[in-house]
Amino acid sequence: AQKVTQAQTEISVVEKEDVTLDCVYETRDTTYYLFWYKQPPSGELVFLIRRNSFDEQNEISGRYSWNFQKSTSSFNFTITASQVVDSAVYFCALSEASRGNNRLAFGKGNQVVVIP
Amino acid sequence: DAGITQSPRYKITETGRQVTLMCHQTWSHSYMFWYRQDLGHGLRLIYYSAAADITDKGEVPDGYVVSRSKTENFPLTLESATRSQTSVYFCASSENRRETQYFGPGTRLLVL
Repeated sequence: AQKVTQAQTEISVVEKEDVTLDCVYETRDTTYYLFWYKQPPSGELVFLIRRNSFDEQNEISGRYSWNFQKSTSSFNFTITASQVVDSAVYFCALSEASRGNNRLAFGKGNQVVVIP
Repeated sequence: DAGITQSPRYKITETGRQVTLMCHQTWSHSYMFWYRQDLGHGLRLIYYSAAADITDKGEVPDGYVVSRSKTENFPLTLESATRSQTSVYFCASSENRRETQYFGPGTRLLVL
């Protein structure tokens, strides 16, 4: 069964600090896809990144970076030099290739509060 | 380029009434999905559709009905609304079953 765990429910940081969000997943598939989505206070779900199970390269996009480690089944997300606009709920999600429906299993989310 | 839209954005209804939430996408994506978001449960899949006229159940389908007569539309109907269906409903679409899902803005539904 696919499962995603995001342990920290709420994280508060002062502006310009770095914040790392942990995501641990469980799957029996050898081919799977990992995602991060952002949900700002306005409520929409914004796609941030997708990572395929066979591509363990880490990625950096501006102040965002992702660390994918298959050995520990983790796909962690770091915001560097946080800004108030980063305040949001961040969801990690998993999709298994063996499933015909592309169903996303979401973690419970991390509420990030950036204090000016 | 509207992408994926949902209507209405907010809805208040009463127990026992039928409610239909609309979802429309302009990308010609094959797959479409309905999720509900609730505190403590995160996002859960209600129904999905692989193509026009092909739909199937997700994790929490009870009390909901879907149809997909056209590729671009995927309405979700609550046949007889209950208070437990108070939630935020998100529609999503993806090009195929392995591609990224993109979400609509959501519909906040309150059942009194």
